[in-house]
Amino acid sequence: EVQVEESGGGVVQSGGSLRLSCAASGFTIASSHMTWVRQAPGKGLEWVSIVYTGGKTYYADSVKGRFTISADNSKSPLYLQMNSLRVEDTAVYYCARGRPGDYYDAFDIWGRGTMVTVSS
Amino acid sequence: QSVLTQSPSVSGAPGQSVTISCTGSSSNMGAGFDVHWYQQFPGTAPKLLIYGNHHRPSGVPDRFSGSKAGTSASLAISGLQAEDEADYYCQSYDISLRASVFGGGTKLTVL
Repeated sequence: EVQVEESGGGVVQSGGSLRLSCAASGFTIASSHMTWVRQAPGKGLEWVSIVYTGGKTYYADSVKGRFTISADNSKSPLYLQMNSLRVEDTAVYYCARGRPGDYYDAFDIWGRGTMVTVSS
Repeated sequence: QSVLTQSPSVSGAPGQSVTISCTGSSSNMGAGFDVHWYQQFPGTAPKLLIYGNHHRPSGVPDRFSGSKAGTSASLAISGLQAEDEADYYCQSYDISLRASVFGGGTKLTVL
């Protein structure tokens, strides 16, 4: 079965760091476009970052310079290194796969998410 | 404020049809970028419902259909069922932001 699973969430103080991981089964992360999307409590979805198979990465303005997405090799998970965390980064973070082939900016496989809570 | 605008809520009785709209601009849908739709139940991950404006992934009932024209897109749900009650989000790409963008979401209530 094709699926992803996030881990690494937790409670961290403002200004702290956290690294999220996303493990895949049924496909290879390094061969896929992979993205992180977050959802603050009671709020809508917010796109965070994406890494394309060619290695290019892009970030939402709200996290640029603080978060780093990576997928190093064919066997490693997807990561999201989050530094200088702010209270407003509190959210469930989802890892998702860009749909293979055409329409690769549609996200077809989602994990259950991992909760990140940033306390003041 | 979301880049893509959705009505906060919509409702309909079982068996009826509803339409959820998503309005963008010349830097996303109006620039030719596709729209995708997701369904999300409380406490669960989003699920891809429509991709490429009108394509349904395998397993999505044909009661769900999507369309796009200019800077707007719509998700239509026919033959409403109680299990359709969920939040629905549109998504596209914005060339000015160089980012994927989501609508604020629409809560569908089945009366």
